[in-house]
Amino acid sequence: AQSVTQPDIHITVSEGASLELRCNYSYGATPYLFWYVQSPGQGLQLLLKYFSGDTLVQGIKGFEAEFKRSQSSFNLRKPSVHWSDAAEYFCAVGSNDYKLSFGAGTTVTVRA
Amino acid sequence: GAVVSQHPSWVICKSGTSVKIECRSLDFQATTMFWYRQFPKQSLMLMATSNEGSKATYEQGVEKDKFLINHASLTLSTLTVTSAHPEDSSFYICSARLGDTGYFGPGTRLLVL
Repeated sequence: AQSVTQPDIHITVSEGASLELRCNYSYGATPYLFWYVQSPGQGLQLLLKYFSGDTLVQGIKGFEAEFKRSQSSFNLRKPSVHWSDAAEYFCAVGSNDYKLSFGAGTTVTVRA
Repeated sequence: GAVVSQHPSWVICKSGTSVKIECRSLDFQATTMFWYRQFPKQSLMLMATSNEGSKATYEQGVEKDKFLINHASLTLSTLTVTSAHPEDSSFYICSARLGDTGYFGPGTRLLVL
């Protein structure tokens, strides 16, 4: 069975500071990994995804994530956050049937 | 590209009535769509997989007779919550598969009184 752990429930970061959100997964084969962002009351927007190849993945809005098989991790990073980055972030792992298992989410608060 | 819509965006209904939620892929065809449920401050839980032209497959613990899914065309899947009760109040989100990626709709908030 596949599962995802996001250890940080809530992160507060100053505008302009860097951000890193942690994600650990459990899956028997090569995983499909995703990061989604959700604004309050909204659906999910895909930030980036990893299927294979280069382990450093670039996404939208200046986000990137690095797949580390040895650590079963897929952490999301952004060098300099903007106030508009305040949202809920979900890491997800997918299998070859394209079903997604989501982590519990990390709420990001950006302070001025 | 890869836009998914849901209708309605929110709905309030009386206990015992049925509610239909539509999920549409606007600019692509999706043979597979997924329905998720999200409780406040919680993550998304997969309810079922909707396959065009065939029966939906439900996750363990999801009542198929209560949550009826129909995938009538390559761009439309519907979720009908039958005989809704207050515990069915939730945020329902669909996802349409394009290639290896699921694209999510904006969600439907259901409140059952």
